[in-house]
Amino acid sequence: NAGVTQTPKFQVLKTGQSMTLQCAQDMNHNSMYWYRQDPGMGLRLIYYSASEGTTDKGEVPNGYNVSRLNKREFSLRLESAAPSQTSVYFCATLTSGGPHGANVLTFGAGSRLTVL
Amino acid sequence: QKEVEQNSGPLSVPEGAIASLNCTYSDRGSQSFFWYRQYSGKSPELIMFIYSNGDKEDGRFTAQLNKASQYVSLLIRDSQPSDSATYLCAVSRSNFGNEKLTFGTGTRLTIIP
Repeated sequence: NAGVTQTPKFQVLKTGQSMTLQCAQDMNHNSMYWYRQDPGMGLRLIYYSASEGTTDKGEVPNGYNVSRLNKREFSLRLESAAPSQTSVYFCATLTSGGPHGANVLTFGAGSRLTVL
Repeated sequence: QKEVEQNSGPLSVPEGAIASLNCTYSDRGSQSFFWYRQYSGKSPELIMFIYSNGDKEDGRFTAQLNKASQYVSLLIRDSQPSDSATYLCAVSRSNFGNEKLTFGTGTRLTIIP
């Protein structure tokens, strides 16, 4: 997962606690994304950022906030964690000119979050 | 109905055989189709991309697309134990893919030595 770094890799929270997942990329990509992955649900887009300073909601934004302060970093914040937010979270960037010209997602290693 | 549907498996295939993974999608405006492979505990990685009807081959992998039937498949020839993973189908409304990929739930493939 060279180029997309997520921290922390593991986190346990109690209901109501807040935390921020950090994502940083060194590939100079404009677009960054946050997905969550749950058993039987696949990958679902939470928020994305097409460029520095812009963010947009994805499929499941409720309970989350994001911040894209600069081109490298895109953070995901849980203000008041709930057990339903127990999941594996993936940050990704969009790579232009991938195989046969496709724009493809490059994922970080993931952050496993458990909310008790 | 889910936008992108895959059989969750597990799909068990003997080593050396052909593994066939299927995916259907509901949005007729979909233009780009991707197959990602995800090993247990790891992040997804792209293995195939197709946007035209027909077949596209890359080594042991062949992606097949039929837009009229809203169906995309992945064939893995000469299956190897290292192919054991979950395969995620993803679709996009834009040409060549963009940020709003919609993923299926994945098919877990096990190659039996």
